[in-house]
Amino acid sequence: DAGVIQSPRHEVTEMGQEVTLRCKPISGHNSLFWYRQTMMRGLELLIYFNNNVPIDDSGMPEDRFSAKMPNASFSTLKIQPSEPRDSAVYFCASSFAEVGIQYFGAGTRLSVL
Amino acid sequence: KNEVEQSPQNLTAQEEEFITINCSYSVGISALHWLQQHPGGGIVSLFMLSSGKKKHGRLIATINIQEKHSSLHITASHPRDSAVYICAVPNFGNEKLTFGTGTRLTIIP
Repeated sequence: DAGVIQSPRHEVTEMGQEVTLRCKPISGHNSLFWYRQTMMRGLELLIYFNNNVPIDDSGMPEDRFSAKMPNASFSTLKIQPSEPRDSAVYFCASSFAEVGIQYFGAGTRLSVL
Repeated sequence: KNEVEQSPQNLTAQEEEFITINCSYSVGISALHWLQQHPGGGIVSLFMLSSGKKKHGRLIATINIQEKHSSLHITASHPRDSAVYICAVPNFGNEKLTFGTGTRLTIIP
């Protein structure tokens, strides 16, 4: 398996623009996680899905952030409108829930100017 | 929410030294995770353990559930072990992880 695939790897955008980050989990995994990592706050969970259903979105900063998982092989994290404070590395991870080990994608480095 | 503390925050050691990184948490858990983040940014899961000890190559993870404490050991350390090591614990009843702040390890040749 190719592992968790995220795209794009890097994104540079201007404040106010919409940003969409994409994630393809490992085939057969039924849990998917979106994380944000910054120097100040470290790794934080934004939202996670189990069997394509959002289970906990308490980490989503505000209404500008939204996440979807239309099927078991694809998820998106959208920021609209983006702000400079959203600049961070966003990781997607997946797991087979009963096992619990999470496999991380390479991350998307987002810079909002 | 579980509170997770790691120590030390930074650790520099000579090649071949035995390394210990500690993690304490505040609320009883089902399992604890150790992750490694390479200088390039990629994150790899090293261990998930709920009791006793696990070993993978030169890495050993131990956990004491009663004391709410886990350690990650590296034997015969090598410069390629230089990375940030992060422990994480779930909130009871779900998969949401709370992460420690990480330990930045630098191994000098």
